Amino acid sequence: QKEVEQDPGPLSVPEGAIVSLNCTYSNSAFQYFMWYRQYSRKGPELLMYTYSSGNKEDGRFTAQVDKSSKYISLFIRDSQPSDSATYLCAMSASPSGGSYIPTFGRGTSLIVHP
Amino acid sequence: GAGVSQSPSNKVTEKGKDVELRCDPISGHTALYWYRQSLGQGLEFLIYFQGNSAPDKSGLPSDRFSAERTGGSVSTLTIQRTQQEDSAVYLCASSAGTGRNQPQHFGDGTRLSIL
Repeated sequence: QKEVEQDPGPLSVPEGAIVSLNCTYSNSAFQYFMWYRQYSRKGPELLMYTYSSGNKEDGRFTAQVDKSSKYISLFIRDSQPSDSATYLCAMSASPSGGSYIPTFGRGTSLIVHP
Repeated sequence: GAGVSQSPSNKVTEKGKDVELRCDPISGHTALYWYRQSLGQGLEFLIYFQGNSAPDKSGLPSDRFSAERTGGSVSTLTIQRTQQEDSAVYLCASSAGTGRNQPQHFGDGTRLSIL
């Protein structure tokens, strides 16, 4: 079992839909949770960063962490065709040796069609 | 530009050849990371540099892989005697430090194809 599981999709939704992207994990030491967006042939771009459990909202994006279930989600409201990309979850534990090196999921491909 | 710059953007080479991939981090960023992204896979951590400290090489898959960072800035990832399974996108990221609130900024990667 991989430390971080993420359905690769593709997930296809109509414009304006609410999108839910999810990851599960097995390492209970993970405390820091991130979502990255990666457009084709580009590097990942950090979207959301959360610590421990709870919700965090930024514009149309909401990140949710449930540590008891080892489950994190990213919700996108009023999805747009420009949101079409691969979304990677990542998480890290307190550093050993000084760095929060994250473990990444495989990414979910999202397609928002007009 | 102000972002992380990687070169070349694409590299095609024959099995058995050596390749060098370059990363120019954001100016002033002390931390630099190399990752590998294979088709359908997540980012695989390779190596991490922080300032003048010894690098964390724990992710390097074999002794054919090595990396150096000169003057605390530019980094080069070298793959010797390339194999077909080395074909992947190699991504570099830098951050202003190693604290939990220091986001990683990624370059657009080098697409490596081994024939």
